[in-house]
Amino acid sequence: AQSVTQLGSHVSVSEGALVLLRCNYSSSVPPYLFWYVQYPNQGLQLLLKYTSAATLVKGINGFEAEFKKSETSFHLTKPSAHMSDAAEYFCAVRGDDKIIFGKGTRLHILP
Amino acid sequence: ETGVTQSPTHLIKTRGQQVTLRCSSQSGHNTVSWYQQALGQGPQFIFQYYREEENGRGNFPPRFSGLQFPNYSSELNVNALELDDSALYLCASSLPGGQGNYGYTFGSGTRLTVV
Repeated sequence: AQSVTQLGSHVSVSEGALVLLRCNYSSSVPPYLFWYVQYPNQGLQLLLKYTSAATLVKGINGFEAEFKKSETSFHLTKPSAHMSDAAEYFCAVRGDDKIIFGKGTRLHILP
Repeated sequence: ETGVTQSPTHLIKTRGQQVTLRCSSQSGHNTVSWYQQALGQGPQFIFQYYREEENGRGNFPPRFSGLQFPNYSSELNVNALELDDSALYLCASSLPGGQGNYGYTFGSGTRLTVV
């Protein structure tokens, strides 16, 4: 069965600093992995997805993630945080025609 | 392309009542999935519909049921509402298996409050 674990329910970074949100996955088959963002009182927006092509995936709003099979990781990064990045971020894996989500990481941006 | 639209956006119901939530899928998508997101949690898979039939179900009781229509839109019905059913209900449309450039596209959700 597939699963994802997000490390850290809350992460705080200063504006302009590096953003790093951690996600580890478990999958018995080559995984399809996703990062979604959720702004307050809104639905989920796809940031990026990995589908076994390039291991470094570039997404929207300057985010990217690197698939590392040896570490079973799919961490999300952004070189320079902006106040508008404050939101909840979910790592997810596709399994049996559904998406399995992590518990989420709330990103706080400090001025 | 139109995105996924859900209605209503907010709803308040009394314990024991029944509720119907609606979802219109993104143009070109023939598969609809429903998720429940409790406060402070990640979304949990309820079920999926493909070709108007249920095609996978999560750990939810039978009082959660659904429909898919020929135009691929969908309804989620919940009977005998309980306080714990209070949550954001998200609909996602896709091609089978999340194929294509867009993968799974989510709507903005319906916020259900059971009192």
